Amino acid sequence: LAKTTQPISMDSYEGQEVNITCSHNNIATNDYITWYQQFPSQGPRFIIQGYKTKVTNEVASLFIPADRKSSTLSLPRVSLSDTAVYYCLVGDGTNAGNNRKLIWGLGTSLAVNP
Amino acid sequence: DSGVTQTPKHLITATGQRVTLRCSPRSGDLSVYWYQQSLDQGLQFLIQYYNGEERAKGNILERFSAQQFPDLHSELNLSSLELGDSALYFCASSVAETPRETQYFGPGTRLLVL
Repeated sequence: LAKTTQPISMDSYEGQEVNITCSHNNIATNDYITWYQQFPSQGPRFIIQGYKTKVTNEVASLFIPADRKSSTLSLPRVSLSDTAVYYCLVGDGTNAGNNRKLIWGLGTSLAVNP
Repeated sequence: DSGVTQTPKHLITATGQRVTLRCSPRSGDLSVYWYQQSLDQGLQFLIQYYNGEERAKGNILERFSAQQFPDLHSELNLSSLELGDSALYFCASSVAETPRETQYFGPGTRLLVL
């Protein structure tokens, strides 16, 4: 089964750039990498998605190297409201059809301090 | 507001009982996903339906079952409840059936088994 690895927690300060890296060694050829943000007692919310190289939107950037075995979510100039758990999601490249499973990392708990 | 609705919001029941959680996807979305999130745990994917058919299965216990109806709403049935089943249960929906599609999460149902 594909497995993702993320740091359990990170600390930052307001105004800093935060980079969270996710390792996904068994990513399938057709799989995309998606990052979600979750606040306490709320459902996760989509942040960004990419396949290769770099993707940028109004919230974050996603960097994916050529081998696609990892990805880095970059949050520019974080604020207190960015304190949340960030999940890296990739498809399970080792199963197909009805056996596909969605493997979520345990998430990275980001704490932004004043 | 993601457009995904879940009922009930809270549920308190006793061990050995059976409960049904309900989810209405966003208008136009054909896929419904169910997740379990225990205290301090990451999201555990349970099962996915697409247009009424089961598409993928995660770590769903045999005591749990789900279905998606012709109007695309979905129900998750949890039976012979145990204390360890206490958790937040999230439903998410997406347009297509592939895991790479953005998932929109509902507010969750908080289940407490006493």
